[in-house]
Amino acid sequence: DAGVIQSPRHEVTEMGQEVTLRCKPISGHDYLFWYRQTMMRGLELLIYFNNNVPIDDSGMPEDRFSAKMPNASFSTLKIQPSEPRDSAVYFCASSTSTRRLGETQYFGPGTRLLVL
Amino acid sequence: GNSVTQMEGPVTLSEEAFLTINCTYTATGYPSLFWYVQYPGEGLQLLLKATKADDKGSNKGFEATYRKETTSFHLEKGSVQVSDSAVYFCALKGQGGSEKLVFGKGTKLTVNP
Repeated sequence: DAGVIQSPRHEVTEMGQEVTLRCKPISGHDYLFWYRQTMMRGLELLIYFNNNVPIDDSGMPEDRFSAKMPNASFSTLKIQPSEPRDSAVYFCASSTSTRRLGETQYFGPGTRLLVL
Repeated sequence: GNSVTQMEGPVTLSEEAFLTINCTYTATGYPSLFWYVQYPGEGLQLLLKATKADDKGSNKGFEATYRKETTSFHLEKGSVQVSDSAVYFCALKGQGGSEKLVFGKGTKLTVNP
């Protein structure tokens, strides 16, 4: 399996621009998670989906952030407009609810975002 | 709410030294507990886990025991290697059906030859 795939791996943009991060979960996984990692705040869960439906978006910072999962193999996290404080590494993770495989979340390599 | 507290880093050890990274948690009931590891430039990957009290998770020479009485899940390794240099995260998943993982702030380990 290719694992969780994220693109782009690096993104540099200017304040006010729209940023779209993409994620392809592991095939067959029915949960998808978006995290943000910064030195100050550590690893924060932004939102997670089950069967393409958002379940918990309480971690989404504000209305500038939005996430979608149009199908089981693709999700996006969009920031519009971006601000310098959004600079962070954004991780996507997926997991399966199959009891035998337990509760492990598999993380992608992350997207390093820098907003100037 | 649920929370995880792990020891502040960074931790610097010599090769073959003994490692302990402390982790305590706050949660109702019986959460599942995890240690994830993040190597430089990579995403997190599961190192080990325990899903009930007194369970011991182990992998790659690392061990952690789920202690309900002390609400702890300390990570240990008897002899660390340079390749163990990474950031280690303790995490929990509470009971109640939510798939949400709560992470500690991470502990950076550097092992010198």
